[in-house]
Amino acid sequence: EVQLVESGGGLVKPGGSLRLSCAASGFTFSSYSMNWVRQAPGKGLEWVSSISSSGSYIYYADPAKGRFTISRDNAKNSLYLQMNSLRAEDTAVYYCVRVQDSSPNEAADYWGQGILVIVSS
Amino acid sequence: EIVMTQSPATLSVSPGERATLSCRASQSVSSNLAWYQQKPGQAPRLLIYGASTRATGIPARFSGSGSGTEFTLTISSLQSEDFAVYYCQQYNNWPPAWTFGQGTKVDIK
Repeated sequence: EVQLVESGGGLVKPGGSLRLSCAASGFTFSSYSMNWVRQAPGKGLEWVSSISSSGSYIYYADPAKGRFTISRDNAKNSLYLQMNSLRAEDTAVYYCVRVQDSSPNEAADYWGQGILVIVSS
Repeated sequence: EIVMTQSPATLSVSPGERATLSCRASQSVSSNLAWYQQKPGQAPRLLIYGASTRATGIPARFSGSGSGTEFTLTISSLQSEDFAVYYCQQYNNWPPAWTFGQGTKVDIK
C-alpha cells in the first residue's frame, strides 16, 4: 500500500523557516517524480514544486522561487521542502504528492494526508 | 501560465441524477488533464487522467471527455459518497507547472 506521511508543519512567525518532510512507503520511491501541492484554508489547490525521480530536475511555482527548496533522499525514501522567508500567504495545508511516472509532468496518483503550516505573528 | 476555469462553481444534484462538470483551459493542453475529488478534511483523490482514463479503483459512473481546451467530467448517477469538490488540473506545460481549476462543489439538492 502506497503511503505518504508528511511532518514538520506548525506555527511560524513571518520571515521564519520550516522544513517539511514526507516519508514514502509501499512503492519504489526512486522511480517516481514527487511534488508538493498546497491548499490555503477554504481555497483551491496550488502547485508548489516538482522534483524528478533522480533529483536532477527541479521546478518551482513563482511564489516559491528563491524561498523554497525541494529535495529528496532516495536512500531514505524521503521528500523534503525547505521553506524560508515565510509569509502569511504561505499559510496552507501542504501535500506530498506522487506523480504517476518518473517524469514530473503527469497526474498525481497518491497524496499524503497533508500538514498544516501557519505563518502568523 | 495556463489558466483553468471550472463551471459551475456549485452544482446541486439529487442522488441518482447525472452531474456534468466543465473545465476550460486558456490554451490547449492536449489530453494532459486530470480530475480529482476532494471531501472535507481529506486529501484529493485522482479520478481521471489523460482526460478520459479512470484511475485505479474508480467506479465506472465517473467518466471524462474532451481534449484541447474543453473538458467534461460526468457522474452518471450520483451516490451519496460523490458529494464533494471536484478539481481539474492540467499537466501539459514544459517546464512542468501544474495548474488547477478553482473547483466545482457538488452538493445535495
